[in-house]
Amino acid sequence: EDQVTQSPEALRLQEGESSSLNCSYTVSGLRGLFWYRQDPGKGPEFLFTLYSAGEEKEKERLKATLTKKESFLHITAPKPEDSATYLCAVQATGQNFVFGPGTRLSVLP
Amino acid sequence: NAGVTQTPKFQVLKTGQSMTLQCAQDMNHEYMSWYRQDPGMGLRLIHYSVGAGITDQGEVPNGYNVSRSTTEDFPLRLLSAAPSQTSVYFCASSRTVQETQYFGPGTRLLVL
Repeated sequence: EDQVTQSPEALRLQEGESSSLNCSYTVSGLRGLFWYRQDPGKGPEFLFTLYSAGEEKEKERLKATLTKKESFLHITAPKPEDSATYLCAVQATGQNFVFGPGTRLSVLP
Repeated sequence: NAGVTQTPKFQVLKTGQSMTLQCAQDMNHEYMSWYRQDPGMGLRLIHYSVGAGITDQGEVPNGYNVSRSTTEDFPLRLLSAAPSQTSVYFCASSRTVQETQYFGPGTRLLVL
């Protein structure tokens, strides 16, 4: 059975304090790993897709990386507007998405 | 492009009542899906559709019904609401099952 876990469950950072979020997965035949951002009361917003180990994607202060068993979302010099819940999802070939429970990030000014 | 739209935004039901959550997309996407989101459990797939006239069950289908008569619309029906169906419901769509899914704003449902 495909599984996705995320850690930590919640993370509180000071503005400018860099850190990383983890997404660990077990899936047979990874087709893609997806990162989403979700603001309170809103639907998830797509950030990145990673397809193979060693791949990296960047967007502003965020960088996502992928290995054979996990993905990291690195946040460099975060700002308060980066506060959100970050969701990770995996997809095996021909299968539906499986989502992790998310990491709730708070960036304090 | 409006993207994925959902109505209503919020609904209160009494146990045993039925209702339909509406979902529409204007991106000509073949794949559409319904998820529920509960605290600490992440998004769980209820039903999905790979094209008009084709639907299938996801992880938690009991108590829900779907149909897909057009490419654009994918309504979710609660047949007889139960308090366990209190949740936030999201509809999503993608060009194909293998591609990035785009989500609607959600419907918050409270069953008393």
